Amino acid sequence: NAGVTQTPKFRVLKTGQSMTLLCAQDMNHEYMYWYRQDPGMGLRLIHYSVGEGTTAKGEVPDGYNVSRLKKQNFLLGLESAAPSQTSVYFCASSWAGGNTEAFFGQGTRLTVV
Amino acid sequence: GENVEQHPSTLSVQEGDSAVIKCTYSDSASNYFPWYKQELGKRPQLIIDIRSNVGEKKDQRIAVTLNKTAKHFSLHITETQPEDSAVYFCAVDSGGYQKVTFGTGTKLQVIP
Repeated sequence: NAGVTQTPKFRVLKTGQSMTLLCAQDMNHEYMYWYRQDPGMGLRLIHYSVGEGTTAKGEVPDGYNVSRLKKQNFLLGLESAAPSQTSVYFCASSWAGGNTEAFFGQGTRLTVV
Repeated sequence: GENVEQHPSTLSVQEGDSAVIKCTYSDSASNYFPWYKQELGKRPQLIIDIRSNVGEKKDQRIAVTLNKTAKHFSLHITETQPEDSAVYFCAVDSGGYQKVTFGTGTKLQVIP
């Protein structure tokens, strides 16, 4: 039982390049989330999904897109990377939307130069 | 929206002493208050949580207290050990996980 797995773990992008971060969970969770973690700012929600085929904006969605074509996968895309998107990205999942534990992936450290 | 403040941002204690981290929130409808621990380079993991109908919860050396009237809750770690060194995040759920707001984190250092 792997839990929540993110790929890649590290990535360096040039400004303007695009990339996709993959999150996979094997716990049959309905809810999945993408957060970014910046020093002194905690975890901020980018986008989330309440089930297969659904997505919604979180607190800081600009510059990102997501897709949830399969229940177990949640993809985060950067179409044109900017230095302000340098951050550590965490995916998480939970079996319900509220009052439940979130299980996090191991994180992706992204640097945009 | 919800406003969560977490203090202190850094905390150093001697091994064996207690550590207390406090969070305040603004939305009186908030009803779930988890605490996550993040070791260096690792993922956040839930260590304890409390719901609005409970005032205190304990799990071995860790406890959380909630004061709904004052809108604050605290994490208490007793008999601290070096492996308690990490960043601790509080969070507040004001209605569905899409409305979970995290605190800015407290870096706890336990000095042997």
